[in-house]
Amino acid sequence: NFMLTQPHSVSESPGKTVTISCTRSSGSIATAYVQWYQQRPGSSPTTVIYEDKQKPSGVPDRFSGSIDRSSNSASLTISGLKPEDEADYYCQSSDGGDRVFGGGTKLTVL
Amino acid sequence: QVQLVQSGAEVKKPGASMKISCETSGYTFIAYYIYWVRQAPGQGLEWMGISNPSGGSPRYAQKFQGRVTMTSDTSTNTVYMEMSSLTSEDTAVYYCARWTYYLDYWGQGTLVTVSS
Repeated sequence: NFMLTQPHSVSESPGKTVTISCTRSSGSIATAYVQWYQQRPGSSPTTVIYEDKQKPSGVPDRFSGSIDRSSNSASLTISGLKPEDEADYYCQSSDGGDRVFGGGTKLTVL
Repeated sequence: QVQLVQSGAEVKKPGASMKISCETSGYTFIAYYIYWVRQAPGQGLEWMGISNPSGGSPRYAQKFQGRVTMTSDTSTNTVYMEMSSLTSEDTAVYYCARWTYYLDYWGQGTLVTVSS
């Protein structure tokens, strides 16, 4: 199995742009789709990005996803940061039939 | 509207078993897989397995194989996750979630505390 490594925490000011990375330890990041989940304190997670870059309905256009084969990583970018974006973010991908989560990144909107 | 409603919090002794329910409504039950994900206190998300309510074989994460059983009841549109030989490391919030192209609806979570 591979691992997905995320930064433990990131912080940025309201209105700015932040990018959270998710690096796959082995095998190509392009092998399987990457999903991103947002989890606010005390709440169940919700999906903000699926299939690398697709957004569920209701997710603001400020959220975008991408993959980079050269760095073997996926990224979640949030532009125009708002206080309500403060949450934990998890990437997730697949290894055959198994699912793998990244360790999560705590986003603080200062 | 789609809803996934999980059973209430439980306290278990080490070595005991637990069985959590995830009652679904608002959609065709057998048409969607259900994922189980857990989260230990202050920790990240951990995938446990996938239940196939249409009757197909579930898929379990290797870590839980032999200790977890996922079943479904089409008469009540409910999915169950049972886990045996509990230890303190199984103390966590357990979530069920419906899979379409992504996990689009989640249950509210069930806190299971394993303590002597």
